[in-house]
Amino acid sequence: GAGVSQTPSNKVTEKGKYVELRCDPISGHTALYWYRQSLGQGPEFLIYFQGTGAADDSGLPNDRFFAVRPEGSVSTLKIQRTERGDSAVYLCASSRAVGVNTGELFFGEGSRLTVL
Amino acid sequence: GQQVMQIPQYQHVQEGEDFTTYCNSSTTLSNIQWYKQRPGGHPVFLIQLVKSGEVKKQKRLTFQFGEAKKNSSLHITATQTTDVGTYFCAGGTNFGNEKLTFGTGTRLTIIP
Repeated sequence: GAGVSQTPSNKVTEKGKYVELRCDPISGHTALYWYRQSLGQGPEFLIYFQGTGAADDSGLPNDRFFAVRPEGSVSTLKIQRTERGDSAVYLCASSRAVGVNTGELFFGEGSRLTVL
Repeated sequence: GQQVMQIPQYQHVQEGEDFTTYCNSSTTLSNIQWYKQRPGGHPVFLIQLVKSGEVKKQKRLTFQFGEAKKNSSLHITATQTTDVGTYFCAGGTNFGNEKLTFGTGTRLTIIP
C-alpha cells in the first residue's frame, strides 16, 4: 500500500480482555516499530523488528505485551489482560532498514485503545 | 534511562512571528530526528541530523544539532497557520533509527 496501515483505528474493550492490533507496513520496508502515545506525550518506544525477529523489545512494559511479525511484513501487537492504564494510541512505523542513513520512520494513523 | 526534554511545552505566536523549540538529551546522541504531528494526526518526519554542529534548512525551518550532540533546536521563521501542530525531537543512540527516544514535544498554536 501507499502508507503504513493500522487496524482497528479504534478499539474499546473491557478491563481483563485480550486485544490484537495489526500493522501492515510499507511494502519493502524491512524495519517495523511499535510505539505508544498517551495524551499530551511523545511516542514511547515499545519494540522493533528487523525482518521477522524482534531486534529490541526492551520497551514492552511487561509480559502482558507481545508482538510478532512471522513473515517479515505484517505485525500484530498482542495485549493480554488489558488494564485501564493500557489506554493510549498505539502507533506503528516502518522504515527501509536500520542504520544511520536510513532516516525517517513512516508512521501509521494509529490504533486508539480504550480500556474501560 | 535516556531522557529527552523539550522546551517550551506550549507556544502561542502571532502569525508572522518566529518560533523556536529546544531539545535536550541526557545522553550523547548518534542522530536526532524531528517530527511534526498535527492535531489528531500521526507524527510526520521532517529531518534527520547526524553530524556535530550540523545545520540544515528547509524553506522557513532551520534545524541545528549541538556540538556535543546532546541538544538540538528547530526554528521557524515567519510562522504561518499551516505550521500549527506539535513538534517532537527524537534521539537515537545506536547509529541508527531504532529505538528513538521522543521528546516531550512543543505544541505550537498560531494566532491569525
